[in-house]
Amino acid sequence: NAGVTQTPKFQVLKTGQSMTLQCAQDMNHEYMSWYRQDPGMGLRLIHYSVGAGITDQGEVPNGYNVSRSTTEDFPLRLLSAAPSQTSVYFCASSYSWGVGPSGANVLTFGAGSRLTVL
Amino acid sequence: QKEVEQDPGPLSVPEGAIVSLNCTYSNSAFQYFMWYRQYSRKGPELLMYTYSSGNKEDGRFTAQVDKSSKYISLFIRDSQPSDSATYLCAMSVPRAGGSYIPTFGRGTSLIVHP
Repeated sequence: NAGVTQTPKFQVLKTGQSMTLQCAQDMNHEYMSWYRQDPGMGLRLIHYSVGAGITDQGEVPNGYNVSRSTTEDFPLRLLSAAPSQTSVYFCASSYSWGVGPSGANVLTFGAGSRLTVL
Repeated sequence: QKEVEQDPGPLSVPEGAIVSLNCTYSNSAFQYFMWYRQYSRKGPELLMYTYSSGNKEDGRFTAQVDKSSKYISLFIRDSQPSDSATYLCAMSVPRAGGSYIPTFGRGTSLIVHP
């Protein structure tokens, strides 16, 4: 059971380049989300999805696109990378976006993707 | 003011000490309260969750919620060097449509030295 798998683990981009961070989960989780983590800022929600075909914006969505065509995958696209997007990105999923057997929307996180934009 | 406030530390304690980690919050509607632990260069993992006020114990860890003061705590007894990590509090309230989206604190870095 792989859990939440993120690729790539590390990436260096030049300003203006585009790329996609991949996230896949094999737990049949309904809810998936993307966070960025910056020093002193904690985890900030970028986008989330409560099921295939349904996405919504979080706290810091500008510069990022998402789609959810399958239950398993939730890729995060950077359209035109900027140095301000240098961060560690985490994908997280949960069985239910509501109240489940383990509480309300208890998240399972991936290992993270470290992105540097020069 | 952020909805959830958490002192980033670092908090440095000797092995065997009792550790107290805290968060305050401003939204009185928060219902579920969680603590995540994050080791260096890893993703956060759920440590404990509680619903409403009161205490919850799991081994050396105790989570405490005081809704009247809008204050939550995580106590670690007999702390070990392996407890060295960043501890993030999180809390959630049902939004439109019934979804719970957690709001995280900034995390407190804990260092337990031998």
